[in-house]
Amino acid sequence: GAVVSQHPSRVICKSGTSVKIECRSLDFQATTMFWYRQFPKKSLMLMATSNEGSKATYEQGVEKDKFLINHASLTLSTLTVTSAHPEDSSFYICSASSSGGLRETQYFGPGTRLLVL
Amino acid sequence: AQSVTQPDIHITVSEGASLELRCNYSYGATPYLFWYVQSPGQGLQLLLKYFSGDTLVQGIKGFEAEFKRSQSSFNLRKPSVHWSDAAEYFCAVAPRLTFGTGTRLQVTL
Repeated sequence: GAVVSQHPSRVICKSGTSVKIECRSLDFQATTMFWYRQFPKKSLMLMATSNEGSKATYEQGVEKDKFLINHASLTLSTLTVTSAHPEDSSFYICSASSSGGLRETQYFGPGTRLLVL
Repeated sequence: AQSVTQPDIHITVSEGASLELRCNYSYGATPYLFWYVQSPGQGLQLLLKYFSGDTLVQGIKGFEAEFKRSQSSFNLRKPSVHWSDAAEYFCAVAPRLTFGTGTRLQVTL
């Protein structure tokens, strides 16, 4: 089956620093990757959709300059949380699909837990 | 706008008992429906999906779900629950994948 990895699995950083999270599709080419944020005991909130080689599309209310997304290849997307603050602490999950089409299944990574002190 | 409702926040069942997790959706056209499972601190694993055709869908780990258009529902079922099924279950509807708030399943021995 399709496998998506994330690195790191957890990260602790100081307030004001930037953190980069990687999302990789290991056995398929991901034309489209998605970034979600999950709060404790809450559902997943879509932050942005990225297509390889183009700018990410951000959901309403998500700061583009705060959450930088790069999808430079068909197997790698990165999310950089810039100038992180404690309120950015959360569980970030990426997913990938081979086409991003309506019927295309998204395959999820294991998530990255970010704690900002 | 599309939306998903999972009315049960938390369900507890005994091992070996049957399970049904409820999911109701709102979408104007034929929806694409999914059930995902999330173990603590983990990402989501796809259990099953419905796009069209047979309204009873078989998934992994012995799960099945039935699409009922008249009730706007896509309930997840399993005839006999195992302790390892304890997890958070999310129903989702596409296009533009939208998740419900999840149902936490606890299994007692």
